[in-house]
Amino acid sequence: AQSVTQPDIHITVSEGASLELRCNYSYGATPYLFWYVQSPGQGLQLLLKYFSGDTLVQGIKGFEAEFKRSQSSFNLRKPSVHWSDAAEYFCAVGGNSGYSTLTFGKGTMLLVSP
Amino acid sequence: DTGVSQDPRHKITKRGQNVTFRCDPISEHNRLYWYRQTLGQGPEFLTYFQNEAQLEKSRLLSDRFSAERPKGSFSTLEIQRTEQGDSAMYLCASSTRAGLETQYFGPGTRLLVL
Repeated sequence: AQSVTQPDIHITVSEGASLELRCNYSYGATPYLFWYVQSPGQGLQLLLKYFSGDTLVQGIKGFEAEFKRSQSSFNLRKPSVHWSDAAEYFCAVGGNSGYSTLTFGKGTMLLVSP
Repeated sequence: DTGVSQDPRHKITKRGQNVTFRCDPISEHNRLYWYRQTLGQGPEFLTYFQNEAQLEKSRLLSDRFSAERPKGSFSTLEIQRTEQGDSAMYLCASSTRAGLETQYFGPGTRLLVL
Protein backbone atom coordinates (compact mmCIF):
# COMPACT_ATOMS: atom_id res chain seq x y z
CA ALA A 1 0.00 0.00 0.00
CA GLN A 2 1.17 3.47 -0.76
CA SER A 3 1.55 6.10 1.95
CA VAL A 4 2.95 9.57 2.50
CA THR A 5 4.38 11.04 5.68
CA GLN A 6 4.76 14.73 6.25
CA PRO A 7 6.41 14.88 9.67
CA ASP A 8 5.88 18.57 10.31
CA ILE A 9 2.31 19.67 11.06
CA HIS A 10 3.25 23.35 11.31
CA ILE A 11 6.31 25.32 10.26
CA THR A 12 6.97 29.00 10.88
CA VAL A 13 9.45 30.80 8.67
CA SER A 14 10.48 34.43 8.60
CA GLU A 15 9.75 36.29 5.40
CA GLY A 16 12.81 36.15 3.17
CA ALA A 17 14.20 33.03 4.83
CA SER A 18 14.60 29.71 3.09
CA LEU A 19 12.08 26.90 3.39
CA GLU A 20 12.20 23.12 3.29
CA LEU A 21 9.11 20.96 3.77
CA ARG A 22 9.71 17.28 4.28
CA CYS A 23 7.92 14.41 2.56
CA ASN A 24 8.61 10.69 2.81
CA TYR A 25 6.69 8.15 0.77
CA SER A 26 6.14 4.43 0.59
CA TYR A 27 5.35 2.94 -2.80
CA GLY A 28 6.04 -0.45 -4.30
CA ALA A 29 7.03 0.67 -7.78
CA THR A 30 8.33 3.81 -9.40
CA PRO A 31 6.36 6.61 -7.78
CA TYR A 32 4.86 9.68 -9.29
CA LEU A 33 5.23 12.47 -6.75
CA PHE A 34 3.40 15.74 -6.40
CA TRP A 35 3.30 18.81 -4.22
CA TYR A 36 0.06 20.74 -3.97
CA VAL A 37 -0.72 23.96 -2.08
CA GLN A 38 -4.07 24.81 -0.53
CA SER A 39 -5.03 28.29 0.61
CA PRO A 40 -7.81 28.63 3.20
CA GLY A 41 -11.16 27.54 1.82
CA GLN A 42 -9.67 26.77 -1.58
CA GLY A 43 -8.99 23.70 -3.64
CA LEU A 44 -5.57 22.29 -4.34
CA GLN A 45 -3.15 23.93 -6.74
CA LEU A 46 -0.34 21.88 -8.27
CA LEU A 47 3.11 23.27 -7.47
CA LEU A 48 5.26 20.65 -9.16
CA LYS A 49 5.48 16.99 -10.04
CA TYR A 50 8.07 14.29 -10.57
CA PHE A 51 7.54 11.44 -13.01
CA SER A 52 11.05 10.53 -14.17
CA GLY A 53 14.35 12.00 -15.31
CA ASP A 54 16.08 14.83 -13.52
CA THR A 55 15.56 14.36 -9.80
CA LEU A 56 15.46 18.11 -9.15
CA VAL A 57 12.21 19.53 -10.44
CA GLN A 58 11.19 23.13 -10.73
CA GLY A 59 7.68 24.32 -10.08
CA ILE A 60 5.61 27.44 -9.98
CA LYS A 61 6.07 30.34 -7.57
CA GLY A 62 9.81 29.65 -7.21
CA PHE A 63 9.42 26.22 -5.59
CA GLU A 64 11.58 23.21 -6.31
CA ALA A 65 11.71 19.64 -5.02
CA GLU A 66 14.29 16.91 -5.07
CA PHE A 67 13.48 13.21 -5.46
CA LYS A 68 15.83 10.97 -3.48
CA ARG A 69 15.02 7.32 -4.12
CA SER A 70 17.50 6.05 -1.50
CA GLN A 71 15.75 8.08 1.18
CA SER A 72 12.21 7.72 -0.20
CA SER A 73 11.93 11.47 0.06
CA PHE A 74 10.60 14.32 -2.04
CA ASN A 75 11.29 17.49 -0.06
CA LEU A 76 9.98 20.86 -1.19
CA ARG A 77 12.23 23.92 -1.05
CA LYS A 78 12.12 27.63 -1.69
CA PRO A 79 15.11 29.93 -1.26
CA SER A 80 13.19 32.99 -0.07
CA VAL A 81 9.69 32.82 1.36
CA HIS A 82 7.09 35.52 0.75
CA TRP A 83 4.15 36.29 3.02
CA SER A 84 1.81 35.09 0.27
CA ASP A 85 3.30 31.59 0.57
CA ALA A 86 1.47 31.06 3.86
CA ALA A 87 -0.82 28.09 3.16
CA GLU A 88 -1.08 24.36 3.66
CA TYR A 89 1.19 22.15 1.58
CA PHE A 90 0.40 18.57 0.64
CA CYS A 91 2.72 15.92 -0.73
CA ALA A 92 1.10 13.12 -2.73
CA VAL A 93 2.16 9.88 -4.37
CA GLY A 94 0.58 8.04 -7.27
CA GLY A 95 1.47 5.45 -9.87
CA ASN A 96 1.04 4.74 -13.55
CA SER A 97 -0.75 1.40 -13.47
CA GLY A 98 -4.03 1.79 -15.33
CA TYR A 99 -5.42 4.68 -13.39
CA SER A 100 -3.74 6.59 -10.65
CA THR A 101 -5.35 7.63 -7.43
CA LEU A 102 -3.35 9.95 -5.30
CA THR A 103 -2.44 9.23 -1.71
CA PHE A 104 -1.86 12.43 0.24
CA GLY A 105 0.05 13.23 3.37
CA LYS A 106 -1.66 15.06 6.19
CA GLY A 107 -0.17 18.35 5.12
CA THR A 108 2.17 20.96 6.57
CA MET A 109 0.82 24.36 7.49
CA LEU A 110 3.29 27.10 6.63
CA LEU A 111 3.16 30.28 8.67
CA VAL A 112 5.22 33.27 7.55
CA SER A 113 6.31 35.78 10.15
CA PRO A 114 7.25 39.37 9.28
CA ASP B 1 -11.86 30.21 -16.67
CA THR B 2 -11.85 26.61 -17.86
CA GLY B 3 -10.78 24.90 -14.63
CA VAL B 4 -12.70 22.36 -12.59
CA SER B 5 -15.84 23.83 -11.07
CA GLN B 6 -17.96 22.56 -8.19
CA ASP B 7 -21.40 23.50 -7.00
CA PRO B 8 -22.42 24.41 -4.39
CA ARG B 9 -19.36 25.78 -2.64
CA HIS B 10 -21.00 25.43 0.75
CA LYS B 11 -23.86 23.29 2.01
CA ILE B 12 -25.43 23.19 5.43
CA THR B 13 -27.92 20.41 6.06
CA LYS B 14 -29.62 18.65 8.89
CA ARG B 15 -28.75 15.11 9.89
CA GLY B 16 -30.77 12.60 7.92
CA GLN B 17 -31.20 14.76 4.82
CA ASN B 18 -29.84 13.84 1.39
CA VAL B 19 -27.35 16.09 -0.38
CA THR B 20 -26.00 16.16 -3.92
CA PHE B 21 -22.89 17.89 -5.18
CA ARG B 22 -21.95 18.61 -8.76
CA CYS B 23 -18.56 18.68 -10.45
CA ASP B 24 -17.79 19.99 -13.93
CA PRO B 25 -14.34 18.85 -15.05
CA ILE B 26 -12.01 20.51 -17.52
CA SER B 27 -13.72 19.90 -20.84
CA GLU B 28 -11.16 17.64 -22.52
CA HIS B 29 -10.50 15.53 -19.42
CA ASN B 30 -11.79 11.96 -19.53
CA ARG B 31 -11.00 11.05 -15.94
CA LEU B 32 -12.81 12.41 -12.93
CA TYR B 33 -12.07 11.77 -9.26
CA TRP B 34 -13.85 12.50 -6.00
CA TYR B 35 -11.97 13.01 -2.73
CA ARG B 36 -13.01 13.86 0.80
CA GLN B 37 -10.94 16.07 3.07
CA THR B 38 -11.61 16.30 6.78
CA LEU B 39 -10.11 18.85 9.12
CA GLY B 40 -6.38 18.37 9.60
CA GLN B 41 -6.12 15.65 6.99
CA GLY B 42 -5.10 15.38 3.39
CA PRO B 43 -7.64 14.49 0.73
CA GLU B 44 -8.85 10.89 0.77
CA PHE B 45 -9.79 9.17 -2.49
CA LEU B 46 -13.44 8.11 -2.84
CA THR B 47 -14.18 7.13 -6.42
CA TYR B 48 -13.05 7.48 -10.02
CA PHE B 49 -14.62 7.66 -13.49
CA GLN B 50 -13.19 7.20 -16.93
CA ASN B 51 -15.73 8.79 -19.24
CA GLU B 52 -19.09 7.55 -17.91
CA ALA B 53 -17.72 4.33 -16.42
CA GLN B 54 -17.17 4.22 -12.68
CA LEU B 55 -14.02 2.13 -12.51
CA GLU B 56 -13.33 2.27 -8.81
CA LYS B 57 -15.88 2.69 -6.06
CA SER B 58 -14.72 0.37 -3.34
CA ARG B 59 -13.35 3.32 -1.41
CA LEU B 60 -16.69 5.06 -1.08
CA LEU B 61 -17.20 5.42 2.63
CA SER B 62 -20.49 3.60 2.92
CA ASP B 63 -23.50 2.58 0.84
CA ARG B 64 -24.96 6.01 1.63
CA PHE B 65 -22.46 7.47 -0.83
CA SER B 66 -22.98 7.19 -4.57
CA ALA B 67 -21.64 8.95 -7.62
CA GLU B 68 -22.66 9.23 -11.25
CA ARG B 69 -21.27 10.62 -14.46
CA PRO B 70 -24.12 9.92 -16.87
CA LYS B 71 -22.79 11.39 -20.08
CA GLY B 72 -19.10 11.36 -19.34
CA SER B 73 -19.08 15.07 -18.65
CA PHE B 74 -20.21 16.41 -15.27
CA SER B 75 -20.48 14.20 -12.21
CA THR B 76 -22.64 14.18 -9.10
CA LEU B 77 -21.85 12.85 -5.65
CA GLU B 78 -24.84 12.05 -3.46
CA ILE B 79 -24.87 11.37 0.25
CA GLN B 80 -28.07 9.88 1.60
CA ARG B 81 -29.20 10.13 5.23
CA THR B 82 -26.34 12.44 6.15
CA GLU B 83 -24.57 12.05 9.47
CA GLN B 84 -22.52 14.57 11.40
CA GLY B 85 -19.39 12.62 10.52
CA ASP B 86 -20.01 13.42 6.87
CA SER B 87 -19.06 17.05 7.53
CA ALA B 88 -16.01 17.65 5.35
CA MET B 89 -14.73 19.25 2.18
CA TYR B 90 -15.58 17.24 -0.93
CA LEU B 91 -13.10 17.76 -3.73
CA CYS B 92 -13.37 16.88 -7.37
CA ALA B 93 -10.41 16.50 -9.72
CA SER B 94 -10.02 15.71 -13.38
CA SER B 95 -7.22 14.57 -15.65
CA THR B 96 -6.55 13.50 -19.22
CA ARG B 97 -6.46 9.95 -20.37
CA ALA B 98 -2.70 10.11 -20.79
CA GLY B 99 -0.71 7.72 -18.65
CA LEU B 100 1.36 10.41 -17.01
CA GLU B 101 -1.56 12.23 -15.58
CA THR B 102 -1.81 15.27 -13.37
CA GLN B 103 -5.01 15.78 -11.46
CA TYR B 104 -6.44 19.28 -11.42
CA PHE B 105 -8.67 20.06 -8.47
CA GLY B 106 -11.78 22.14 -8.13
CA PRO B 107 -12.43 24.52 -5.22
CA GLY B 108 -14.42 21.93 -3.29
CA THR B 109 -17.82 21.79 -1.62
CA ARG B 110 -17.77 22.27 2.12
CA LEU B 111 -20.51 20.27 3.82
CA LEU B 112 -21.70 20.91 7.36
CA VAL B 113 -24.18 18.46 8.85
CA LEU B 114 -25.99 19.78 11.90
